[in-house]
Amino acid sequence: NAGVTQTPKFRILKIGQSMTLQCAQDMNHNYMYWYRQDPGMGLKLIYYSVGAGITDKGEVPNGYNVSRSTTEDFPLRLELAAPSQTSVYFCASSFFRGSSGANVLTFGAGSRLTVL
Amino acid sequence: AQKITQTQPGMFVQEKEAVTLDCTYDTSDPSYGLFWYKQPSSGEMIFLIYQGSYDQQNATEGRYSLNFQKARKSANLVISASQLGDSAMYFCAMSRGGSQGNLIFGKGTKLSVKP
Repeated sequence: NAGVTQTPKFRILKIGQSMTLQCAQDMNHNYMYWYRQDPGMGLKLIYYSVGAGITDKGEVPNGYNVSRSTTEDFPLRLELAAPSQTSVYFCASSFFRGSSGANVLTFGAGSRLTVL
Repeated sequence: AQKITQTQPGMFVQEKEAVTLDCTYDTSDPSYGLFWYKQPSSGEMIFLIYQGSYDQQNATEGRYSLNFQKARKSANLVISASQLGDSAMYFCAMSRGGSQGNLIFGKGTKLSVKP
């Protein structure tokens, strides 16, 4: 049981380049998320998905795109990379019924992206 | 606007002693959840404990307990009998709006346990 798998773990991009961060989960979770963590800060939500074919913006969506064609995969696309996108990116997933109880997120190990 | 505040950038505690990490929150939603996550130096995020806004009793998970004071809008994490492995960043988070998965995070507290 791998949980949430993110690739790559590290990447250096030049300004203006594009790339996709991959995220896959094998827990049959319905919810998936992308967060970014800037140095010395907490996590900020970029995009999330409540199921295949459904995505929505979080707090900081500008410069990113996502898709959710399957339950398992939730890739994050960076278009025209900028230095402000230098960060650690975390993918997470959860199984949430939309009722009471904790919606506990399982996080991937993170992807460290540097834009030069 | 919803907000999480952690006012202690760094804390030191002696091994085997208890420590309290502070967290205050602001929300106008009657239903919300409060979470604590641990981030060791290796970088992964580890769920520790959860408290629902309607829960009558404070949550406990092993050596972790959440001191929930609803009127004061505080959700402090108490770690009893600190261990060297507790040295890490600790983040308080709150579920946002109707979707409990959309967490907003505080800036974190770095806990260092001294032998």
